[in-house]
Amino acid sequence: AQSVTQPDIHITVSEGASLELRCNYSYGATPYLFWYVQSPGQGLQLLLKYFSGDTLVQGIKGFEAEFKRSQSSFNLRKPSVHWSDAAEYFCAVVVNQAGTALIFGKGTTLSVSS
Amino acid sequence: DSGVTQTPKHLITATGQRVTLRCSPRSGDLSVYWYQQSLDQGLQFLIQYYNGEERAKGNILERFSAQQFPDLHSELNLSSLELGDSALYFCASSVELKNTEAFFGQGTRLTVV
Repeated sequence: AQSVTQPDIHITVSEGASLELRCNYSYGATPYLFWYVQSPGQGLQLLLKYFSGDTLVQGIKGFEAEFKRSQSSFNLRKPSVHWSDAAEYFCAVVVNQAGTALIFGKGTTLSVSS
Repeated sequence: DSGVTQTPKHLITATGQRVTLRCSPRSGDLSVYWYQQSLDQGLQFLIQYYNGEERAKGNILERFSAQQFPDLHSELNLSSLELGDSALYFCASSVELKNTEAFFGQGTRLTVV
């Protein structure tokens, strides 16, 4: 069955330090891949997406992600974290044939220390 | 602001009751998706409508149903509510049938007591 794994439940990073959030997927073909962010009490906001082409994609708020087919991974990175980046981050995959159902990972909570 | 509007924001109801959650998609979006977010199950896809027709179904219970109206707004009906149905219910919308970029509402927090 298709699945998305985010191995880290909670990560704490110092403000100004770099960040990498891990995401692995299980799917036969190349899926559509997404990263969403959810701030407390808010809905989900799309950070970036990958469909095909250049495997390094740029998103909003200074985030980027790299698709690695050999590792079935789509890790999210940011070179310098700001306190406002503290939130929950979700990796998601569109897997059904019609390309409609988003399957989410369990999420990674990011805390930023000063 | 994503442009997706969900009402009500909070809902408290008793077990066995029925509630209706409402979603207005972004202007021009034809697809509406419903998701349930709970602590134990995470974010789960429930159902998708596109231009009034059901197009994909996920882990939606038989006690739950949805529809999309001609003006493209959608309603999620939850009946015979149980304590375990307490969750945050999100609606999302996108322009196309294929989910290339979905915009999420702020959710309806349902508490069943």
